[in-house]
Amino acid sequence: KNEVEQSPQNLTAQEGEFITINCSYSVGISALHWLQQHPGGGIVSLFMLSSGKKKHGRLIATINIQEKHSSLHITASHPRDSAVYICAVRNYGGATNKLIFGTGTLLAVQP
Amino acid sequence: NAGVTQTPKFRILKIGQSMTLQCTQDMNHNYMYWYRQDPGMGLKLIYYSVGAGITDKGEVPNGYNVSRSTTEDFPLRLELAAPSQTSVYFCAIRAGSSYNEQFFGPGTRLTVL
Repeated sequence: KNEVEQSPQNLTAQEGEFITINCSYSVGISALHWLQQHPGGGIVSLFMLSSGKKKHGRLIATINIQEKHSSLHITASHPRDSAVYICAVRNYGGATNKLIFGTGTLLAVQP
Repeated sequence: NAGVTQTPKFRILKIGQSMTLQCTQDMNHNYMYWYRQDPGMGLKLIYYSVGAGITDKGEVPNGYNVSRSTTEDFPLRLELAAPSQTSVYFCAIRAGSSYNEQFFGPGTRLTVL
């Protein structure tokens, strides 16, 4: 079993829909990252959080440390949000900041 | 890409050939990482470095070597390319306001035939 699990693996939505991507992990962590990767493109950091909730534009990330779970929400989705969204955790006590990655969620937003 | 550059962007190798993937950062950060990304799999750490002259193995180091003679450069060497090394390779640095974020280079797509 992977230490970081994402669901769903694939998601198709209509423009304007509210989207939720989930991430569960089984290790102790000091932080969780949400990353975005466009097709053929590089990887961009969206959020890093260790508790509570963060918001940037139409993106919201939440984390529940007790339940070892995080969610990434996209409000009023748009075709330009189509990308792979990757959850990664930094193992607690990892002085070298090594990350454990989920396999990603492929999101397609249709106009 | 927060000042992380990688070259080349694409490369096709024949089995047994060797090559070096270049990674350079211009922000004087100590921590640098090499990952590979395979379809349907999460990124896997190949090697990392915590500063010039210091490197260590990650999860999947076999078939690769690294060096870190300067803070700026962290090249990844493939000595005898194998089809299993067909992948997309990302270099990353540890940076950000809290020094706990990772910033990735644009990636190198490598095919070994």
